[in-house]
Amino acid sequence: DARVTQTPRHKVTEMGQEVTMRCQPILGHNTVFWYRQTMMQGLELLAYFRNRAPLDDSGMPKDRFSAEMPDATLATLKIQPSEPRDSAVYFCASQLVRSTEAFFGQGTRLTVV
Amino acid sequence: AQTVTQSQPEMSVQEAETVTLSCTYDTSESDYYLFWYKQPPSRQMILVIRQEAYKQQNATENRFSVNFQKAAKSFSLKISDSQLGDAAMYFCAYRTPRGAQKLVFGQGTRLTINP
Repeated sequence: DARVTQTPRHKVTEMGQEVTMRCQPILGHNTVFWYRQTMMQGLELLAYFRNRAPLDDSGMPKDRFSAEMPDATLATLKIQPSEPRDSAVYFCASQLVRSTEAFFGQGTRLTVV
Repeated sequence: AQTVTQSQPEMSVQEAETVTLSCTYDTSESDYYLFWYKQPPSRQMILVIRQEAYKQQNATENRFSVNFQKAAKSFSLKISDSQLGDAAMYFCAYRTPRGAQKLVFGQGTRLTINP
């Protein structure tokens, strides 16, 4: 059963700490997205990669957020230092570039206190 | 920039009845995709139905169907014979078939099913 796997499912951290969220896309999918979901802003794109190359990260606060794909089976989203306003659910999604459907992971719920 | 608007923050329906969720969008593109995603309390984003803009026929998936009005830029979701398991947040989303391919989401509609 192919699925996008995100870890951790939940993370509580103190303000100022570094947070790393991980995503394993579906094997063979060459496009990976990071979305953030908040009550106020809804679902918004943070960054996306194609064939491991970052194509758009304009939705990310550059001073504290970074996204990478060290290899085709792993995407990471890092926040350093974290702030309470970063509290949200972070989703990873993957798809084949010619496909119409993006498959979502179950998200990481981040709480920064 | 493309925008998606869902004007109904909340909707409720009696079990076994039919409910329609509204969505409008704004784009200057002629070719695009539209989607409805369901998000139950588990947080999982589940694709319910998709529509290609070049297709005039409205998409249907079992109890779920859409009313796609391209000229009006309207894309509503009809759920027939509502079931308790249909209770969730529903998001309308837009995507272009080329380029960025990112999804642009509406704010969502929370659907409650009354037994």
